[in-house]
Amino acid sequence: DAKTTQPNSMESNEEEPVHLPCNHSTISGTDYIHWYRQLPSQGPEYVIHGLTSNVNNRMASLAIAEDRKSSTLILHRATLRDAAVYYCILRGVGDYKLSFGAGTTVTVRA
Amino acid sequence: DTAVSQTPKYLVTQMGNDKSIKCEQNLGHDTMYWYKQDSKKFLKIMFSYNNKELIINETVPNRFSPKSPDKAHLNLHINSLELGDSAVYFCASSQPQGASEKLFFGSGTQLSVL
Repeated sequence: DAKTTQPNSMESNEEEPVHLPCNHSTISGTDYIHWYRQLPSQGPEYVIHGLTSNVNNRMASLAIAEDRKSSTLILHRATLRDAAVYYCILRGVGDYKLSFGAGTTVTVRA
Repeated sequence: DTAVSQTPKYLVTQMGNDKSIKCEQNLGHDTMYWYKQDSKKFLKIMFSYNNKELIINETVPNRFSPKSPDKAHLNLHINSLELGDSAVYFCASSQPQGASEKLFFGSGTQLSVL
C-alpha cells in the first residue's frame, strides 16, 4: 500500500545541500507529509512534516509542490552524520499507524 | 535521559524458547507501538496501544503477545521462537495529534533466533 515513491539512493558531498524528492500523486487533501530518517543501527527519527506550506526546522526544510503531488526534503549542508535512510510518509486523518516504505539511502562523501 | 528505552539491545536465543522485550517511555505519551524491521530493512507495525488499550493488531502470529501494564510501558512477549522471528524490533511512542502526530522510537532490540 505504498503511497509515496522515492529514489532508492542518493549521494552527496559533505557541506553541500541534498535535495530528496518524494512523489505522492494520490495524496488526499487532509494527508500530512512526514519525513523520518534512520541512522545506522538506530531507530527512526522524526525530521519534519507539513501539510501545504513549506516548513523549516533546525534539521531540514520541506518544500511542498503547489499541487501537493510531490515534495522535497532539503538538507542544507550535509554532514557525515546525515548518512541515513530517509523515509517520506503520508499520514491522513484516521490513520492510526505510520507506514514506512523503502526510503532513500543517502550517502555522504567526505 | 533516554526518551524511549528498550531492553535488551541484543537477544540471542534458540528456536522454541520464549523471550520478552521491554519498552519504557518517559515522554508522558498516551500511545505506544511495536515495529518489526526484517533483514530487507522494511519497517512494519505490529501493535499499538493507547492508554493500555490495544488499538492496532496487524497480522501477527498469536505467539506474539504485547502487554501494557501502564501507559509508560509496552512489553512484547514471544512464545516458541522461530528462525523467521529474527529481526530488529523497535518500540515507539507518540501523543495522539491526528495526522500531524510524531513518533519517537527506541534504538531497537536485535533478536537472533538460532
